[in-house]
Parts: sequence; C-alpha cells; structure tokens
Amino acid sequence: GNSVTQMEGPVTLSEEAFLTINCTYTATGYPSLFWYVQYPGEGLQLLLKATKADDKGSNKGFEATYRKETTSFHLEKGSVQVSDSAVYFCALMRDSGGGADGLTFGKGTHLIIQP
Amino acid sequence: EAGVVQSPRYKIIEKKQPVAFWCNPISGHNTLYWYLQNLGQGPELLIRYENEEAVDDSQLPKDRFSAERLKGVDSTLKIQPAELGDSAVYLCASSLDSGLNSPLHFGNGTRLTVT
Repeated sequence: GNSVTQMEGPVTLSEEAFLTINCTYTATGYPSLFWYVQYPGEGLQLLLKATKADDKGSNKGFEATYRKETTSFHLEKGSVQVSDSAVYFCALMRDSGGGADGLTFGKGTHLIIQP
Repeated sequence: EAGVVQSPRYKIIEKKQPVAFWCNPISGHNTLYWYLQNLGQGPELLIRYENEEAVDDSQLPKDRFSAERLKGVDSTLKIQPAELGDSAVYLCASSLDSGLNSPLHFGNGTRLTVT
C-alpha cells in the first residue's frame, strides 16, 4: 500500500537557519506529492505540490523536488523565520483507476524556530 | 472564496453517547473527504464522497460510524456510541474533483473528547 515517512520532530532551529525536512514515500505508479502545513490552532493548508518526476514545487520560500529515483520529496528553505513554526506534513495522492484515492499523510514534523 | 466550514469546533461527550459533526465544503467542490487525526499523527482517510456517493469507505468503522451527504453538498459524520479511543480531531476536506491536480482544502476540524 501507499505510505509516507518523514523525519521525526520536533526540529528546533534558530532564525535564518537552513531547513531540510526529509520525506520518502512508497507507492505504485506515479503519485502526486504534497507538503501541507498546520499552524497552531488552524487547519491544514497546502504549501506546495509536484505532480511528476523532477518537478519542483515552491511557495513562500519553501521548495521541494520530486525525486523518483530516491522516492523522496524533501522540504527545504534557505532562511527560516519564527513565523514558519508549525507542523509540516508530507503527503501523496495516487490515482487507483477510479479517481485519486485521497491523500496519504506522513506523521508530521513539528518545526520550532527560535529568535 | 469561503473555506471549508466545520462545526462544532470542540465537543466533549461521555462514552456511549452519540455525536455528530457537520461539514460544509467549498461551493462547487464535488469531492468531499472525512479524515481522522490522532494526536501526533497524520490524518487518516475515513471516507470519500463523489457528489452524494460514498466511493471509498473502506476505512470507516461501520459498526459505530456513519456518514451521509444527501444532496451532494453538506455532509454529516456520526459516531454512535462513542468510545474513549474516538477522542481525536475529525477533519473535513473538499476538492473540485478527485483528479490528481485538484488540491484538498481542509476545514479547521472538530476536536472530540470522549470521557
């Protein structure tokens, strides 16, 4: 079946540090890959996505590249801010032949940015 | 556009009592999802609707959980009777359709506490 594995948190960084949150996946076929973010007290928001191999998704200074050869979709940001503190979820969606079968999420990585 | 609206925001009930959650998706979104999110975990799909038809309910515990989307718009998720282990956040999401390029939009969720 489909599965997503992401690095355990919490991840604590200082402001302006470089961020990497690792994500690997298992799925048959060609899934689409997503990063969602959940700020405290808020719902899940789509951060970025990539729909095919070698695509790079980017938004708000974050980016992730769909690497089929390593089945990975690592999230990166060059200089984090305190406002980036949130829980980040890596997810995949696959078309099982009857439409996309919903998102499969990783467990989430809690990111804490200290001033 | 208005987002996905869920109510109530919080619910506390005693075990063995019934409970219901309501979701109003984004206007025009044909696909609706209910997810369960346990503390420290990623969301897990319970059921997916295409208009009024439940096309994937394989993860819904049908002995106590039920859902409906009678007119293909609003949806209700019910638990009867609730158990202690049902304490979690119940998330509703909608998308334009079930294609891989249709991102899911999430509501803020209903946090259920069963005592």
